[in-house]
Amino acid sequence: EPEVTQTPSHQVTQMGQEVILRCVPISNHLYFYWYRQILGQKVEFLVSFYNNEISEKSEIFDDQFSVERPDGSNFTLKIRSTKLEDSAMYFCATSLAGAEQFFGPGTRLTVL
Amino acid sequence: GIQVEQSPPDLILQEGANSTLRCNFSDSVNNLQWFHQNPWGQLINLFYIPSGTKQNGRLSATTVATERYSLLYISSSQTTDSGVYFCAVGRNTGANSKLTFGKGITLSVRP
Repeated sequence: EPEVTQTPSHQVTQMGQEVILRCVPISNHLYFYWYRQILGQKVEFLVSFYNNEISEKSEIFDDQFSVERPDGSNFTLKIRSTKLEDSAMYFCATSLAGAEQFFGPGTRLTVL
Repeated sequence: GIQVEQSPPDLILQEGANSTLRCNFSDSVNNLQWFHQNPWGQLINLFYIPSGTKQNGRLSATTVATERYSLLYISSSQTTDSGVYFCAVGRNTGANSKLTFGKGITLSVRP
């Protein structure tokens, strides 16, 4: 069964460093999302991406965040200058038609 | 935005017991999903159920969209059912289809 994959599974970085989280969507899916979950809290929406552009973003998704689909395969989330409060599990999700979403296993980001 | 309330927040069961987990939401939706978050943090899709009833083994779910709630039933619970159960809802309007999650229900099944 096709699945969403994410790399790395765990990333440790120093405050102020840039990180790139990668996702490989299910091959025929057209809608892409990033969510995050701070430890012990609920899952929060960050951004949705369709037709090579951002379709919606939350208040969390400020200028420090960016997304792109550089090669038509990977879908990436970049955090330009990480802060301690960016420590969280980041989930990529994809959808065929904007309905049911399938989540990847997550990347646990730790900012020291 | 849409508010999602899940109850109860915590649930402790003896193995073999049945349970019902509830999700209330504040506005009309056309997307509703139930997830199980396992101890490794992975979100496992249980049901895509914007309306109606579905069953998958010992699990079943019912969504009554007009009354803005969904129920997840777990029968004959097993220790492997332990974890956090999330309900997530959305209003799919084409390109805008984000999911809003509830705070989750922490289920502990004891042997």
